[in-house]
Amino acid sequence: AQTVTQSQPEMSVQEAETVTLSCTYDTSESDYYLFWYKQPPSRQMILVIRQEAYKQQNATENRFSVNFQKAAKSFSLKISDSQLGDAAMYFCAYREYYGGATNKLIFGTGTLLAVQP
Amino acid sequence: DGGITQSPKYLFRKEGQNVTLSCEQNLNHDAMYWYRQDPGQGLRLIYYSQIVNDFQKGDIAEGYSVSREKKESFPLTVTSAQKNPTAFYLCASSFPVGDGVETQYFGPGTRLLVL
Repeated sequence: AQTVTQSQPEMSVQEAETVTLSCTYDTSESDYYLFWYKQPPSRQMILVIRQEAYKQQNATENRFSVNFQKAAKSFSLKISDSQLGDAAMYFCAYREYYGGATNKLIFGTGTLLAVQP
Repeated sequence: DGGITQSPKYLFRKEGQNVTLSCEQNLNHDAMYWYRQDPGQGLRLIYYSQIVNDFQKGDIAEGYSVSREKKESFPLTVTSAQKNPTAFYLCASSFPVGDGVETQYFGPGTRLLVL
C-alpha cells in the first residue's frame, strides 16, 4: 500500500527567507501524482502545487516550487520569500495515475509552518 | 462564484443521535468525496462518489452513510454506530477519473463535537 511520510511535525522560518518542507512516499507504481495542500487556521484545504511523476521538470507556482526526486521517492516543497500568510499546516498527498475508481488521495500527517516577523 | 460549501460550520451530536453534514458544489464536478481529519493525522477517506446515484466506501466508512441524488450534493450522515465521531470533516470534489489530473478541491469543513 502507498504511504506518505512527513517527518517534520513543525517548522519555523523568518519572514522573507526560504524554507523547505520534506515529504517522502512509498509506491511501486511508476506513474502517479503528488500534491502539496495548505491548510491555514481557517482549516480550508488549498491546493498549492501538483507534480506529475512522468514529468521530469519540477513544478513551480510563483514562490512555491518542488524538488521531485523520483528515484528517492522524495517530494519537497520550497517556499521562497516567506510571508506571514504562508503560516499554515502543509500536507503532502499522493494519488495513483489512473486512480482506479477511487481517485483517492493519500495524505501525510502534515507539517505546521510558523512564519516569524 | 464557483466553489464548495459545507454546513454547518460546527455541529454538536448527542449520544445515540444521527447527524447530517451538508456538502454542495457548483463546479460541475461529477466526483465528490468525504474525508475525516483527526489531530496529528492526515485526511482519511470515508466515502466517495464518481457519479449521481452511485457511491463507494472509502477506508473508514463504518458508522457513516451517504447519498448522491443530485450532482451538486453529497450529504454525509454520521450515525450512532460511529463511536468516535469527534473530528473535522472535509468534503471535496473533482472531475471524474479519466479527465486528466482530477485535482480535488475542498470545502471549508465542518467541525463535529459530541456532547
